[in-house]
Amino acid sequence: SAVISQKPSRDICQRGTSLTIQCQVDSQVTMMFWYRQQPGQSLTLIATANQGSEATYESGFVIDKFPISRPNLTFSTLTVSNMSPEDSSIYLCSVAGQGQNIQYFGAGTRLSVL
Amino acid sequence: TQLLEQSPQFLSIQEGENLTVYCNSSSVFSSLQWYRQEPGEGPVLLVTVVTGGEVKKLKRLTFQFGDARKDSSLHITAAQPGDTGLYLCAGLTTSGTYKYIFGTGTRLKVLA
Repeated sequence: SAVISQKPSRDICQRGTSLTIQCQVDSQVTMMFWYRQQPGQSLTLIATANQGSEATYESGFVIDKFPISRPNLTFSTLTVSNMSPEDSSIYLCSVAGQGQNIQYFGAGTRLSVL
Repeated sequence: TQLLEQSPQFLSIQEGENLTVYCNSSSVFSSLQWYRQEPGEGPVLLVTVVTGGEVKKLKRLTFQFGDARKDSSLHITAAQPGDTGLYLCAGLTTSGTYKYIFGTGTRLKVLA
């Protein structure tokens, strides 16, 4: 198993500002993912964080808006840039071992943009 | 675009009743996971099914993967209030990129 620490757990931000969310894992993992979830709804994959290379973004998400870093196999950050109220959501990071068919999640970051 | 549709979207039942949640797609997945999520927490993995036709049991929960690996079901026997939560299926796709596609979700409430 893997233990994931996500910071901050929640934040209230002003429109036009940026927030960086951190994801720390207690062991080295191959795959790290960032998701967005509206309260009570399902998860939408934002991107796969690749160690040592640029993240792979899903349709509808771009690097300028959601820059991602992954400097090593235990840490990643997601920045929500130039925020608007539409960015209010829960952001979750997860990790998986390739071929393990198991995915572990952090508790999420609840973001409110005023 | 790969989609996983879950039904029903919402379900409110009395304690002791049985229920089934369905997860359907037109795409084939390498494996399929079921998660339960409670408010303020991340999803927690319940089970992974890998082989077409596979059936797995976890106490009162029974999971089945369709023969063609395009669909799955979750059956709960004698539901308890502790089963309340958001149930999510997620298909693993390895064609092109390695990633999980999440279903639309089923919110279950079990009344005492």
